[in-house]
Amino acid sequence: DAGITQSPRHKVTETGTPVTLRCHQTENHRYMYWYRQDPGHGLRLIHYSYGVKDTDKGEVSDGYSVSRSKTEDFLLTLESATSSQTSVYFCAISEGFNYGYTFGSGTRLTVV
Amino acid sequence: AQSVAQPEDQVNVAEGNPLTVKCTYSVSGNPYLFWYVQYPNRGLQFLLKYITGDNLVKGSYGFEAEFNKSQTSFHLKKPSALVSDSALYFCAVRDESGGSNYKLTFGKGTLLTVNP
Repeated sequence: DAGITQSPRHKVTETGTPVTLRCHQTENHRYMYWYRQDPGHGLRLIHYSYGVKDTDKGEVSDGYSVSRSKTEDFLLTLESATSSQTSVYFCAISEGFNYGYTFGSGTRLTVV
Repeated sequence: AQSVAQPEDQVNVAEGNPLTVKCTYSVSGNPYLFWYVQYPNRGLQFLLKYITGDNLVKGSYGFEAEFNKSQTSFHLKKPSALVSDSALYFCAVRDESGGSNYKLTFGKGTLLTVNP
């Protein structure tokens, strides 16, 4: 999707290892979000950021941490990956106020 | 707290027939409402939004949605379905009074299948 990229697109990792997913934007939007998508659950918010070094937890934040040292990058880290974290992860950006989101293409993570 | 419900996991319609994908919401203040579509192995794409104004909102690909405050609903509609409309549809809501973090809450999604 234009202006927002996620990397990697696919990753297989072993239980107990740390994993970092990257979201990069070129739109200079203030707000960035990490969601996970699972069948039967839709999209659930993990963490979000409202500025450089300003982050907060979403509804399913246990086992995840984030960092935002620059406007354009928002990193999601699984501190010690578990099989329950096998999912598709989406990053989204927003200008805020009455704007919606622009989504990245997603990262499919498999924890074995 | 804000929440949204999509009561149908799946909707099947014949090509050329009208389609409706249902969404109801719950917020404390005024709602900001959105519809997104997801094609297989793709990210979510914006279809349309309701912020204020006319209750009937027109969006991309011939879709429209009707905001009904008394029924707290925002159903997605299209007069004549195409096979290419087959996808996963998400409704999302944000509470106007929800502060400055502008988080969207999404429904669980409705899988639309349009049969030839």
